[in-house]
Amino acid sequence: GQQVMQIPQYQHVQEGEDFTTYCNSSTTLSNIQWYKQRPGGHPVFLIQLVKSGEVKKQKRLTFQFGEAKKNSSLHITATQTTDVGTYFCARRGSTLGRLYFGRGTQLTVWP
Amino acid sequence: NAGVMQNPRHLVRRRGQEARLRCSPMKGHSHVYWYRQLPEEGLKFMVYLQKENIIDESGMPKERFSAEFPKEGPSILRIQQVVRGDSAAYFCASSSAGDGYGYTFGSGTRLTVV
Repeated sequence: GQQVMQIPQYQHVQEGEDFTTYCNSSTTLSNIQWYKQRPGGHPVFLIQLVKSGEVKKQKRLTFQFGEAKKNSSLHITATQTTDVGTYFCARRGSTLGRLYFGRGTQLTVWP
Repeated sequence: NAGVMQNPRHLVRRRGQEARLRCSPMKGHSHVYWYRQLPEEGLKFMVYLQKENIIDESGMPKERFSAEFPKEGPSILRIQQVVRGDSAAYFCASSSAGDGYGYTFGSGTRLTVV
């Protein structure tokens, strides 16, 4: 279908460790978006990837789009407690404007 | 420049009552999307609206749920005869174009049915 699978569902790390979440699709994606939701908060758009093999960086966050455009990853270097939250990937659906979200990876960072 | 405004932030309803959730999109945005989120789950699409038009309501239950985005005023998600299973966070998002690029989400309405 049009769903995207995200792994892992939960990740607990010590502050300073790295973190990676993966997003996979059985079909080719036109683009992939990433969002962050803090506990009790709302999703906040982080980035959109469009091109095959694309890599984008935002400070300690690195976003990658696979060569086949079927997977994507978000890597955080040297996590901080402010990174706590749930990270979602989302793909565009067949209906213009509609997004399908993965179940998210819930990141906990221990000080 | 206010973002997407949702109200109320928290809503408690007894079973059988009606819930009305409001969403005012960002200034200049004419595309509104409603999503539902259950605890520790992802966001499930419900409905996509433009001014006075429902573009895609395939994610919305056929009974008890309705949505509108009138020419004037906020978008309204209406749930009639609420049941416990309707308890969830309801998020509204808006965009300037219907291409799905970079949603801006509101703070959500947490609905609790008692």
